[in-house]
Amino acid sequence: EDQVTQSPEALRLQEGESSSLNCSYTVSGLRGLFWYRQDPGKGPEFLFTLYSAGEEKEKERLKATLTKKESFLHITAPKPEDSATYLCAVQDHRGTGNQFYFGTGTSLTVIP
Amino acid sequence: DAGITQSPRHKVTETGTPVTLRCHQTENHRYMYWYRQDPGHGLRLIHYSYGVKDTDKGEVSDGYSVSRSKTEDFLLTLESATSSQTSVYFCAISFNLAASYEQYFGPGTRLTVT
Repeated sequence: EDQVTQSPEALRLQEGESSSLNCSYTVSGLRGLFWYRQDPGKGPEFLFTLYSAGEEKEKERLKATLTKKESFLHITAPKPEDSATYLCAVQDHRGTGNQFYFGTGTSLTVIP
Repeated sequence: DAGITQSPRHKVTETGTPVTLRCHQTENHRYMYWYRQDPGHGLRLIHYSYGVKDTDKGEVSDGYSVSRSKTEDFLLTLESATSSQTSVYFCAISFNLAASYEQYFGPGTRLTVT
């Protein structure tokens, strides 16, 4: 059964304190791995897509990496505005390839 | 922001009543999705559409039906609402350009079934 597990569930960082969020997955055929940011009361906002092991993507203070079993979202020198829940999702290539499985997210709080 | 709207944004209904949620897009994207988000479960796919009148089931489709008669509208219907369907419902779209499937989400509908 396809599964996506994110850790930690919650993370509190001081402003400027770098860290990483983890997303481990088991899927029979990975078409893509996605990272989203979700602010309270809003829909998820797309951040990155990764397709194959070894791939990396960067955006401002965020960097996403992918291996065959997991992905990391590295946050460098975070600011309070980076506080949000970060969601990971995988797309299974089986069937029409439109089955997406989401993790439960990591709630990040950055303290000034 | 992707041009996605959901209506209503909030709804309270009684057990056993029918409920229809609407998702409207202005992006002319082919793919549309309905998810529900619950604490401890994350986002779970209910149904999706890959074109007008073309739909398929997701992970948690029991108790839900969908229709798509126009590219821009995707409707989610709860034929007889139950308390277990209390949730936040999100619509998403993707355009599958160059096999890129990232999804863009609407603002959500908070549904409470009493």
